[in-house]
Amino acid sequence: KAGVTQTPRYLIKTRGQQVTLSCSPISGHRSVSWYQQTPGQGLQFLFEYFSETQRNKGNFPGRFSGRQFSNSRSEMNVSTLELGDSALYLCASSLRGYSGNTIYFGEGSWLTVV
Amino acid sequence: SQQGEEDPQALSIQEGENATMNCSYKTSINNLQWYRQNSGRGLVHLILIRSNEREKHSGRLRVTLDTSKKSSSLLITASRAADTASYFCATDAPFSLWETSGSRLTFGEGTQLTVNP
Repeated sequence: KAGVTQTPRYLIKTRGQQVTLSCSPISGHRSVSWYQQTPGQGLQFLFEYFSETQRNKGNFPGRFSGRQFSNSRSEMNVSTLELGDSALYLCASSLRGYSGNTIYFGEGSWLTVV
Repeated sequence: SQQGEEDPQALSIQEGENATMNCSYKTSINNLQWYRQNSGRGLVHLILIRSNEREKHSGRLRVTLDTSKKSSSLLITASRAADTASYFCATDAPFSLWETSGSRLTFGEGTQLTVNP
């Protein structure tokens, strides 16, 4: 069974640009969540989607957005990139996203903003 | 904000020794999960322990949970060089009135474990 797949693995963008990251959850999983990891702030929750609906949102500006498709695949978008957005973006999936479900992570997308 | 604090921040041991990492958290939880992260890679799930459980084992891993002290520990026995990684605890808290159901992990800052051959 394939794990959580994230693309691209590495990318470099310029300040002011926008970026879209993609995530394919484990087959059968319907909950997809996104996390940002930086040396200064650690791992922080961005948002969670279930059945194409955003169920939870972390404390990030509106420049960070996401969506989920009917096949549970998810994308997150960051507009008007800032240097501080440089981070490892991790996608995670779980069966239904309820408490007690094991949450599995992908390898992440390394974003560098220059 | 970080819910959990992990102790120690860094741990260096010799192969074959046991490694113990501790995690403390602030609010009541539904469950707690431990993850491993190799440098620059994603998170690998190790163990999930529910709030009504006190101890769980998986291979060389042993996790304890003390909800009265709001703390958990991860013990790796007979460590190997391949265990070198960062270890994180993540809590899943009960839903608040203003949040819908769903999953939302809050991570500690992690313990960097180095196992020397």
